[in-house]
Amino acid sequence: EPEVTQTPSHQVTQMGQEVILRCVPISNHLYFYWYRQILGQKVEFLVSFYNNEISEKSEIFDDQFSVERPDGSNFTLKIRSTKLEDSAMYFCASSARQGPGEQYFGPGTRLTVT
Amino acid sequence: GENVEQHPSTLSVQEGDSAVIKCTYSDSASNYFPWYKQELGKRPQLIIDIRSNVGEKKDQRIAVTLNKTAKHFSLHITETQPEDSAVYFCAATNARQLTFGSGTQLTVLP
Repeated sequence: EPEVTQTPSHQVTQMGQEVILRCVPISNHLYFYWYRQILGQKVEFLVSFYNNEISEKSEIFDDQFSVERPDGSNFTLKIRSTKLEDSAMYFCASSARQGPGEQYFGPGTRLTVT
Repeated sequence: GENVEQHPSTLSVQEGDSAVIKCTYSDSASNYFPWYKQELGKRPQLIIDIRSNVGEKKDQRIAVTLNKTAKHFSLHITETQPEDSAVYFCAATNARQLTFGSGTQLTVLP
């Protein structure tokens, strides 16, 4: 069964550094998402992406964040200047259908900002 | 925006008993309600979902009920097994972004 994959599984970075988290969505899916989960807390929506542009974004997704689909398979989340509070698990998800429907999550990237 | 409340935050049951987790949502326009199971350090996995045109859905030992008038939905797990132990999240949406509840740590005691 196809799965969403993410790399790296764990990223440690210093405050102020840029990080890029990578995701490969399921191949026939058209809608892509990033969520984050601070340790012990709920999963929070960051951004959705369709047809090479952002569809929706939350208040968390400020100017420090950006997303890109650089090629036909990868979907990336960039944090320009990391802060301590960016430490969290970042999940990529994808879905096949327009509108509300099943979203399949990747295994996550644990980002630790020191 | 949507707000989802989930209760209880922790739930312990004896193996073989039933477990019920409840969620309420605020946005009457929400029409899709998935439930995710997350084992420690792993990805959230969709276990069941329900749309607003249906009041109940069942899949083997798992069922979900939806009360649109009261804006709440519940997850029911029957004949619980130790492998059901995990964190369960409810979510709601009327678009693409999912709004999650705060999670329920379910422990099934052997």
